[in-house]
Amino acid sequence: AQSVTQLDSQVPVFEEAPVELRCNYSSSVSVYLFWYVQYPNQGLQLLLKYLSGSTLVKGINGFEAEFNKSQTSFHLRKPSVHISDTAEYFCAVSDLSTGTASKLTFGTGTRLQVTL
Amino acid sequence: SAVISQKPSRDICQRGTSLTIQCQVDSQVTMMFWYRQQPGQSLTLIATANQGSEATYESGFVIDKFPISRPNLTFSTLTVSNMSPEDSSIYLCSVEGVSGTIYFGEGSWLTVV
Repeated sequence: AQSVTQLDSQVPVFEEAPVELRCNYSSSVSVYLFWYVQYPNQGLQLLLKYLSGSTLVKGINGFEAEFNKSQTSFHLRKPSVHISDTAEYFCAVSDLSTGTASKLTFGTGTRLQVTL
Repeated sequence: SAVISQKPSRDICQRGTSLTIQCQVDSQVTMMFWYRQQPGQSLTLIATANQGSEATYESGFVIDKFPISRPNLTFSTLTVSNMSPEDSSIYLCSVEGVSGTIYFGEGSWLTVV
């Protein structure tokens, strides 16, 4: 069974500083990888996804992530955060061996708190 | 992109009652998925809803507690039966759109008192 580990439950950072949110997964087969953001009292919004091809994936709001197969990681980065980036971030993986790419396993989430 | 509408968006329910959550998609999809997000926690898959067949439930979830309907390719319902305060959660519907993107509804925020 696959699993997703988000190593940091909370990440405090000052505005305009860079940030990295870590995500590792365990799966013995090919996977699709996703990052979602959940703003307070809202649903999930897709930030970016890796399906195949280039390992560096760019998403919305200036975020990017790099797929590292040897490290089984998919860390999320942003070079300069804004107050409005304060939210919960979820890493998710779909295991292609299940026959569908649509069934996701989520990490426990990382709370990004941006302050002035 | 797929647009997903969920109803109700929020509700407060009495324990022992049941609530049905609706999920409507603006395009035809083969599979629809129902997730639960308990307070302060991550999302957990409840079941996969296939049109024309029984839903497939994940470990820890059973049909008697979470009956699901899938009458056509754009609509599904999830019922939370005989509710207890432990069922207070956000329930989310999701589908796979084109190019492998997984879309989520805004969620149905359920509080059981």
